[in-house]
Amino acid sequence: GAGVSQSPSNKVTEKGKDVELRCDPISGHTALYWYRQSLGQGLEFLIYFQGNSAPDKSGLPSDRFSAERTGGSVSTLTIQRTQQEDSAVYLCASREVGAGAHTGELFFGEGSRLTVL
Amino acid sequence: RKEVEQDPGPFNVPEGATVAFNCTYSNSASQSFFWYRQDCRKEPKLLMSVYSSGNEDGRFTAQLNRASQYISLLIRDSKLSDSATYLCVVNKRGSQGNLIFGKGTKLSVKP
Repeated sequence: GAGVSQSPSNKVTEKGKDVELRCDPISGHTALYWYRQSLGQGLEFLIYFQGNSAPDKSGLPSDRFSAERTGGSVSTLTIQRTQQEDSAVYLCASREVGAGAHTGELFFGEGSRLTVL
Repeated sequence: RKEVEQDPGPFNVPEGATVAFNCTYSNSASQSFFWYRQDCRKEPKLLMSVYSSGNEDGRFTAQLNRASQYISLLIRDSKLSDSATYLCVVNKRGSQGNLIFGKGTKLSVKP
């Protein structure tokens, strides 16, 4: 498809298990973002990838969280030893950055809803 | 101080009303400002960018006040379909490309 694709759309896991969430951005978009949104709350920044630059990981809440972006395209967010407070919708977004591009518009995926029991 | 702050609302207004939202930001060096809209249980979508001179798109007007570090969004002639949460977005301190979202202001337009 032409949009940002995230999987799984829903994930239920037990406390202490590891989970991986995947994001496939829009082709050609060099910037990729992960946010999370708890029920009724705003978007919390997690991590930002821009081209070949070192990612901005300043939003990751603990060392249980990590993310990779392979080949400048697909990204995986990994949460180790999940806790109940990790339950949220994890949103991925991508953006085209460069001369002549419509800068600023983030295109979001539909999110991965994580429930930790 | 949070990087981006918004009144959470909710704002409950009748159809046809004019409603204004404000957003304050802490990074005086910020260069990029946007309003996004998020419908219930949906992903956010860009409503409009905010330019220094102010800009208008139909019933929506966005303004930027750099001296006071706030952004506003004015909606005229509110429609039922305007009911949503409006998110203020500013680039993160030290990064032109990284974008930080406010917690959003919820608008409910009633018949």
